[in-house]
Amino acid sequence: DAKTTQPPSMDCAEGRAANLPCNHSTISGNEYVYWYRQIHSQGPQYIIHGLKNNETNEMASLIITEDRKSSTLILPHATLRDTAVYYCIVRANYGGSQGNLIFGKGTKLSVKP
Amino acid sequence: DTGVSQDPRHKITKRGQNVTFRCDPISEHNRLYWYRQTLGQGPEFLTYFQNEAQLEKSRLLSDRFSAERPKGSFSTLEIQRTEQGDSAMYLCASSLRSLAPMGDTQYFGPGTRLTVL
Repeated sequence: DAKTTQPPSMDCAEGRAANLPCNHSTISGNEYVYWYRQIHSQGPQYIIHGLKNNETNEMASLIITEDRKSSTLILPHATLRDTAVYYCIVRANYGGSQGNLIFGKGTKLSVKP
Repeated sequence: DTGVSQDPRHKITKRGQNVTFRCDPISEHNRLYWYRQTLGQGPEFLTYFQNEAQLEKSRLLSDRFSAERPKGSFSTLEIQRTEQGDSAMYLCASSLRSLAPMGDTQYFGPGTRLTVL
């Protein structure tokens, strides 16, 4: 089972920041928080991941709480093309079953004009 | 394009037929994963290779399923005697084993959509 909890859906106005929350209260010390998104009928797209420090790249920012029990993915200026299902996943950086991505149902983000 | 590629993108077959899918990982990626995704669900892990060795298989991978990665590069997933329940998106991902703390990120291909009639 997925070790994360996400709201099933969220709306965001185009041009505004989209803040997607994720709870992972049972995260282990060696597990990273990963975010992927999946646009309809396409393969999942990697967005960002982090261990305990906040991370930023060209797509998004990841804010992880100090106790690491929750995180927030921030899309700073959402566009219509950001409409997708966003998955928050915790995993250790190993191969095999410890390194598999266990997807939950994710959050369906709808960006509206 | 240097991303993960999968072929075919769509496959329609009749129940009982065999099908084979191909995945070409990102060059130099030594890890390769297969996932299956049914409608409305997130992807589920099927199997995993490191180089040419198949190191892990999910219980979802019945005896009708077989995967290979003969030279540690591309991989094939074969389904024998397909059933309607096999209809799904089959996704391939690859990663580079890394000891770096932020390494081993999986990158996905576009998937193969299988429809069994």
